[in-house]
Formats: sequence, C-alpha cells, structure tokens
Amino acid sequence: AQTVTQSQPEMSVQEAETVTLSCTYDTSESNYYLFWYKQPPSRQMILVIRQEAYKQQNATENRFSVNFQKAAKSFSLKISDSQLGDTAMYFCAFMKPPNSGNTPLVFGKGTRLSVIA
Amino acid sequence: NAGVTQTPKFQVLKTGQSMTLQCAQDMNHNSMYWYRQDPGMGLRLIYYSASEGTTDKGEVPNGYNVSRLNKREFSLRLESAAPSQTSVYFCASKFFPENTEAFFGQGTRLTVV
Repeated sequence: AQTVTQSQPEMSVQEAETVTLSCTYDTSESNYYLFWYKQPPSRQMILVIRQEAYKQQNATENRFSVNFQKAAKSFSLKISDSQLGDTAMYFCAFMKPPNSGNTPLVFGKGTRLSVIA
Repeated sequence: NAGVTQTPKFQVLKTGQSMTLQCAQDMNHNSMYWYRQDPGMGLRLIYYSASEGTTDKGEVPNGYNVSRLNKREFSLRLESAAPSQTSVYFCASKFFPENTEAFFGQGTRLTVV
C-alpha cells in the first residue's frame, strides 16, 4: 500500500519570505501522480499543484513550485513571497495512474503553515 | 457551478443515534469518495464508489455504510454513532480516467456526544 509522510506538523514563515514543505512517499509504482492541496480556515480543499511522475520537469503554479526527486521519493512544496492568505493546512497526496485502475487519493497527515506579518 | 455539495454542514448527535450525510455533485463525475479528517491524522478514506453501482471499503470503513444512489449522489450513513466518529467528513468526486483532480465538498463537522 502507498504511504505519504509529512514530517513537519507545523511551520511558520514571515510574510514575503520563502518556505518549503516536505513530503515523502512510498510506492512500487513507476508512474503515479502527486498533489499538494491547501485547506484554509474555511475548510475548503483546494488543489495547489500536481506532478506526474514520468514528467521530469518540476511543476510550477505562480508562487508555488515543487521539487520532485523520484529516486528519493520526495515531493516538496516551495512557496515564494509568502502571503497572509497562504496560512492554511497543506496536504500532500498520492494517486496511482489511471491505467492501474480507479484508485483514490492517499493523503499525508498535513502541515499547518502560519504566515506571520 | 455548485460543484460538490454536502449536507448538513454541522451536526451534533447523541451516542447511538443514526444519521445520513448527503453528498451530491453536478459535474457528471463517475467517481465519488468519503473521507474523514481528524487532527494529526490527515484525510483517511472511509468508502468510495469508482462508478455508479459500485462501492468499496477504504482505510476506515467500520461503523459506516454507503449508498451510491445515482451518478450524482453518494451518501454516508452512521447506523449507531459513537464518540470515536466525531470528525469532519469530506465528500469528493472526480472524472475517471480523464481527470486526476478531485473536487471536494465543504465538509460536515459531526460531533457525537
């Protein structure tokens, strides 16, 4: 079974600074998808960024980028120019590819990020 | 666009009571999921429905039942609520296999006293 580990339960960062959230996973699959979801105090789950394992280029979405290290099974999220609105719980998630069947997302335990003014 | 709608948003139950959490999506998704979120535990899968007419157990199915009523609706039932089922419950859906993104409802905060 796949497992996702987020080793930082809580982090804080000053506004406008850069912060990196860590995620490692365990799988025997060669292709898969990885995601970062954001959950602000409103409780809504919002997809921040996704990465397909066979794509070597790291995904980027505006101020959010990932460092995907396939051999190390590591998938960290970098938030640049942190804003107060980035304050949220962040979840790393794993999913097998569609050709492995219709399998659900597996989540890590989350990292609570606080952006300080 | 309503997306994924969960009802109710909040609920307090007494131990032993039953209730059904409702979930409906209007995106024509074929796959639907129920997760629970507990502090320090992340989101854990309770049940899922890969397609209309099928349901499968997830990581924490004990004490729950589900019904995929039609393509739009996927309900979660607690037959005899226990304090250990105090949690925030999320319904999600996605369109398999074309899309990988799962869309989530706003959650139901359930307290069992």
